[in-house]
Amino acid sequence: EAQVTQNPRYLITVTGKKLTVTCSQNMNHEYMSWYRQDPGLGLRQIYYSMNVEVTDKGDVPEGYKVSRKEKRNFPLILESPSPNQTSLYFCASSQGRLGEQYFGPGTRLTVT
Amino acid sequence: AQSVAQPEDQVNVAEGNPLTVKCTYSVSGNPYLFWYVQYPNRGLQFLLKYITGDNLVKGSYGFEAEFNKSQTSFHLKKPSALVSDSALYFCAVRPNRDDKIIFGKGTRLHILP
Repeated sequence: EAQVTQNPRYLITVTGKKLTVTCSQNMNHEYMSWYRQDPGLGLRQIYYSMNVEVTDKGDVPEGYKVSRKEKRNFPLILESPSPNQTSLYFCASSQGRLGEQYFGPGTRLTVT
Repeated sequence: AQSVAQPEDQVNVAEGNPLTVKCTYSVSGNPYLFWYVQYPNRGLQFLLKYITGDNLVKGSYGFEAEFNKSQTSFHLKKPSALVSDSALYFCAVRPNRDDKIIFGKGTRLHILP
């Protein structure tokens, strides 16, 4: 089954404690992306990757890092989380920029 | 600045009636347009897209959308609403092939039995 998986699905952490949210896709897609969803703000792109070792900033990259060492994986790293990063995070992948994006189930992050 | 707008936070429609969820955009160039749907506690699912060609695009679950270049709109439509269509709908635009994708803030659709 074609899918995008994210782990963990729920995470509660404290300010400053480094965390990683994993994302994996099994469709051999080139393009992968991270979004955050906040009430009243819709979806905002954090980072995206066109292929292995190629990443670029989205609209709200501050406080986040990503890496793309393998085609299937695109982890999101918060080196020092802060409460304003409390949000619902989605990973997505597509075959190229114009392909339909497949979204993961989401990770709800709470930073206290 | 390039943007996409969904002017209605919420739309209520009676079951069986036609529905429209509005989307307008402000971009330079030839935009690529998408609609996604989000059901409760789920990730977004692709509904349809306009890349080029026929302005009327048909998608999943009986939805369709019309690209109107003069009005810079890409409204989502369905002839007869189902209660199961109740969800959060997002319009998205990629201003040009190499530009970043921009999502609207979403419109919550309520289909009333």
